[in-house]
Amino acid sequence: NAGVTQTPKFQVLKTGQSMTLQCAQDMNHNSMYWYRQDPGMGLRLIYYSASEGTTDKGEVPNGYNVSRLNKREFSLRLESAAPSQTSVYFCASSGTGGYPGELFFGEGSRLTVL
Amino acid sequence: SQELEQSPQSLIVQEGKNLTINCTSSKTLYGLYWYKQKYGEGLIFLMMLQKGGEEKSHEKITAKLDEKKQQSSLHITASQPSHAGIYLCGADKAGTYKYIFGTGTRLKVLA
Repeated sequence: NAGVTQTPKFQVLKTGQSMTLQCAQDMNHNSMYWYRQDPGMGLRLIYYSASEGTTDKGEVPNGYNVSRLNKREFSLRLESAAPSQTSVYFCASSGTGGYPGELFFGEGSRLTVL
Repeated sequence: SQELEQSPQSLIVQEGKNLTINCTSSKTLYGLYWYKQKYGEGLIFLMMLQKGGEEKSHEKITAKLDEKKQQSSLHITASQPSHAGIYLCGADKAGTYKYIFGTGTRLKVLA
């Protein structure tokens, strides 16, 4: 049972380049999330998807787009990367019932923008 | 600023000492969650609190939610090096799936 899988684990980009972070879960969860973690800032919510077919902005959505491709997959896209987007990105999923409950996290994707 | 504030930001304790981490919200919480993160890894769920005054324990870790559901504390008894890491509180907003986290507390336990 893989849980939540994120790819890639590491990526270096130049300013202005684009890339997509992929996330897949195999737990039949309804909701999925993207967070970024910067030193001293805890986790900040970028976007979330309460269920297949829906997406909503979180606390820091600017500069990002998301796609809930199907129930399993939730991708995060940076259209024009900026150095301020250097961070560790975590995908999470939860919820087979009526509320989020416990989140299950991927191992993280470390992104550096030069 | 984040809606969930944690204190202290960092903590260094001698092995065997007790410690407390606090999580405060400006709004009434629907569900309050505690997670632990080992350095460089993903988060691991510890406990969930939903009712005012609720208290839960797991091994040497106890978490409480106050009656007003705006403040939670995480207490570790007789700390061990294995307790080292980053502790984060999280909360979901009633009626939505918006799930946010606090600023985190970095714990170091000296052997």
